[in-house]
Amino acid sequence: GIQVEQSPPDLILQEGANSTLRCNFSDSVNNLQWFHQNPWGQLINLFYIPSGTKQNGRLSATTVATERYSLLYISSSQTTDSGVYFCAVAFDSWGKFQFGAGTQVVVTP
Amino acid sequence: EPEVTQTPSHQVTQMGQEVILRCVPISNHLYFYWYRQILGQKVEFLVSFYNNEISEKSEIFDDQFSVERPDGSNFTLKIRSTKLEDSAMYFCASSGKGEQFFGPGTRLTVL
Repeated sequence: GIQVEQSPPDLILQEGANSTLRCNFSDSVNNLQWFHQNPWGQLINLFYIPSGTKQNGRLSATTVATERYSLLYISSSQTTDSGVYFCAVAFDSWGKFQFGAGTQVVVTP
Repeated sequence: EPEVTQTPSHQVTQMGQEVILRCVPISNHLYFYWYRQILGQKVEFLVSFYNNEISEKSEIFDDQFSVERPDGSNFTLKIRSTKLEDSAMYFCASSGKGEQFFGPGTRLTVL
């Protein structure tokens, strides 16, 4: 199956700082999504981004499918950004997701 | 905005009991999924469902698990005889055009 590696595993930020999370995958994919898992365990869909660049407020994401990686940018971080960020990829558009191990982000005041 | 719903939000059961986790996918979606996440670990795929049959399942999805779409709106996951290691958060997802939409999850605790 597809291998998904996320880095860094842990990230501590001061409020207001910027950061970049990375997702590398081992094979061509046709589906890629970024999620934020909140303290209640819910998976919040941030981006559906099999290729290209998208922005939503302080968050943006870029996927370079030909080079098999995706980046999630957090700008001007806030304490509410704390949580685990997961990248998930699928070989085909309707196939099963393979999740990465996640990046645990802690934003301190 | 349409969303995937799951019930119950939390279920506590005794080892060996049967549980049914319920999901209502987004109404015009055709692909349905169950995933689970053991505490502190990553999210794992269990099963996908399309056109009223299983399209793919993982090695976790053994004979103790089954899925059903009993009517036009519900999608259920049944665990016949729960084990301690079945304790996890179970997520339902549905998809229409590629993007998967996840429900809020059911936290299953097996005692």
